[in-house]
Amino acid sequence: DAKTTQPNSMESNEEEPVHLPCNHSTISGTDYIHWYRQLPSQGPEYVIHGLTSNVNNRMASLAIAEDRKSSTLILHRATLRDAAVYYCILFIIQGAQKLVFGQGTRLTINP
Amino acid sequence: NAGVTQTPKFRVLKTGQSMTLLCAQDMNHEYMYWYRQDPGMGLRLIHYSVGEGTTAKGEVPDGYNVSRLKKQNFLLGLESAAPSQTSVYFCASSYGRGGTQYFGPGTRLLVL
Repeated sequence: DAKTTQPNSMESNEEEPVHLPCNHSTISGTDYIHWYRQLPSQGPEYVIHGLTSNVNNRMASLAIAEDRKSSTLILHRATLRDAAVYYCILFIIQGAQKLVFGQGTRLTINP
Repeated sequence: NAGVTQTPKFRVLKTGQSMTLLCAQDMNHEYMYWYRQDPGMGLRLIHYSVGEGTTAKGEVPDGYNVSRLKKQNFLLGLESAAPSQTSVYFCASSYGRGGTQYFGPGTRLLVL
């Protein structure tokens, strides 16, 4: 099974950029890279996803390596509300369609 | 537009009892999913459905059954609950393959 590897935790300061890394060396050509975040006692919330090209939306940016074996979620100006567990996920659409969760990175934002 | 809703929010069961968790979505999504999340861990896929009347096994299907009789509803059943099924259960839906998944608020289940 394709898996992702993320740091267990990261810490940043409010209003500074945050770069959350993810390794997915076994990714196949049709797997999408998704990022979700989960606040305490809530369901996961979609952040961004991409296939090959870098992606931007109002919440974040996703930078995908040329070989697609790694990606980075970028929060341009972190706020206290961005403190959450961030999951880097491969969506495997071939065969038994599966969402494979990594262990997640717990992001702490310091005021 | 309520999105994805789950019923009940919390339930306590005794070992051997049965129950059904209900997930409903009002976004006309084709795909629906059931996950479980154990303390300090990520979500694991139990079962999923790619359309009305179809279901398939995920990563941890043992001890669970599902049904998708209507497009907007996805039911997760526990026929004989075990303490190992104590967890938080999340339902999600998406429009299609690789698309954004919208999650419900979760159901906390405690099996004694």
